[in-house]
Amino acid sequence: EVQLVESGGGLVQPGRSLRLSCATYGFIFDDYDMHWVRQAPGKGLQWVSGISWNSGTKGYADSVKGRFTIYRDNAKNSLHLQMNSLRTEDTALYYCAKHGGHSRREPFDFWGQGTLVTVSS
Amino acid sequence: EIVLTQSPGTLSLSPGERATLSCRASQSVSSNYLAWYQQKPGQAPRLLIYGASSRATGIPDRFSGSGSGTDFTLTISRLEPEDFAVYYCQQYGGSPRTFGQGTKVE
Repeated sequence: EVQLVESGGGLVQPGRSLRLSCATYGFIFDDYDMHWVRQAPGKGLQWVSGISWNSGTKGYADSVKGRFTIYRDNAKNSLHLQMNSLRTEDTALYYCAKHGGHSRREPFDFWGQGTLVTVSS
Repeated sequence: EIVLTQSPGTLSLSPGERATLSCRASQSVSSNYLAWYQQKPGQAPRLLIYGASSRATGIPDRFSGSGSGTDFTLTISRLEPEDFAVYYCQQYGGSPRTFGQGTKVE
């Protein structure tokens, strides 16, 4: 059974940093691209970042480019998001999501339950 | 960036009724790389439809997707109590991947 378990969220002041992690189970992790998607309280979904299976390709939403870094550890079946220079508008539930297949264009077929990041002074 | 606009914002229906949800793209979605997700309160999104019309694994056949180019539709043929939720469309053909703002079925 595929499982994605996020951790690392919490309350942080503007300008500070936070690192999110996603532990994965039940599939061959290094076969698939992975993504982070966020959802601000009461709002819709926003793709944040994605990484290819071998870390060769990384992508970011314009709103986080230069501040967030995605990386993965295939030996530990884990995905991470280093978030620096956090802003109040980064407050959201952050989901880890699995790429749905082996081609470049796939939907997200499994999602974790999310970890909440609150940026406030 | 491809902007997706969903309508209506809220759909008020009763169990057994048919639900028709719309998703319109600001430009053509290449190769119909369009997905639909269902999200219930306090839960993660769940993939329902991909490739505009293919059901994901385990999704009941009362859910169907159609459309191409810039206009897409999710239809729930007969609403079950567990179908009342928020539905999002997503395009994954262009970068960045974008979502619609959601339609709440209540």
